[in-house]
Amino acid sequence: DILTTQTPLSLSVTPGQPASISCKSSQSLLHTDGKTYLYWYLQKPGQSPQLLIYEVSSRFSGVPDRFSGSGSGTDFKLKISRVEAEDVGVYYCMQGLHFPLTFGGGTKVEIK
Amino acid sequence: QVQLVESGGGVVQPGRSLRLSCAASGFTFSSYGMHWVRQAPGKGLEWVAVISFDGSNKYYADSVKGRFTISRDNSKNTLHLQMNSLRAEDTAVYYCAKALGGRTGAIDFWGQGTLVTVSS
Repeated sequence: DILTTQTPLSLSVTPGQPASISCKSSQSLLHTDGKTYLYWYLQKPGQSPQLLIYEVSSRFSGVPDRFSGSGSGTDFKLKISRVEAEDVGVYYCMQGLHFPLTFGGGTKVEIK
Repeated sequence: QVQLVESGGGVVQPGRSLRLSCAASGFTFSSYGMHWVRQAPGKGLEWVAVISFDGSNKYYADSVKGRFTISRDNSKNTLHLQMNSLRAEDTAVYYCAKALGGRTGAIDFWGQGTLVTVSS
């Protein structure tokens, strides 16, 4: 199975400041089709997860442009350029290259 | 808009069975793979199973293989998860989720979840 590891476990951010979350996979997520199958989700308090970023850096429909994803191979980052109050929750990365799909352990983001 | 509504959760004794259902609407159900993902209380997300758009391919997490069966009825836009030989560690909120685009190994939309509690 592909191991997916996130850091940090938690973040406390002042509104308007940037935030960054790291995700590492135990093997490259680059497929032979040239795409890299790494996704980012946000689970807001009391809600189900919602897709933010697919294939490393593509923002899903309706996702604000303050969210961006980057990386390649085994190392990835989610960046929030200016954190807003509505961004609180737990962020998960997920690899979609092989079954079983595996999620990172989550990063809890709170507002200072 | 995409809607996924799970049902069938509840309290069940260890060793017993439960069948979850997910009613889908707002998209062409028969064109997309579908997933079950679970979340134990206070814990992270754990992928459980996936079924291809036509039901011909299924994959399971090792933790449920041989006990859980994923299935779908494209005529009724419904996804199921048959859970047998339930254990305490199967206690979780179970989410039905839609595959993203043509690739089964990705998820875009999630339901609100249904809670399964395995306890004597």
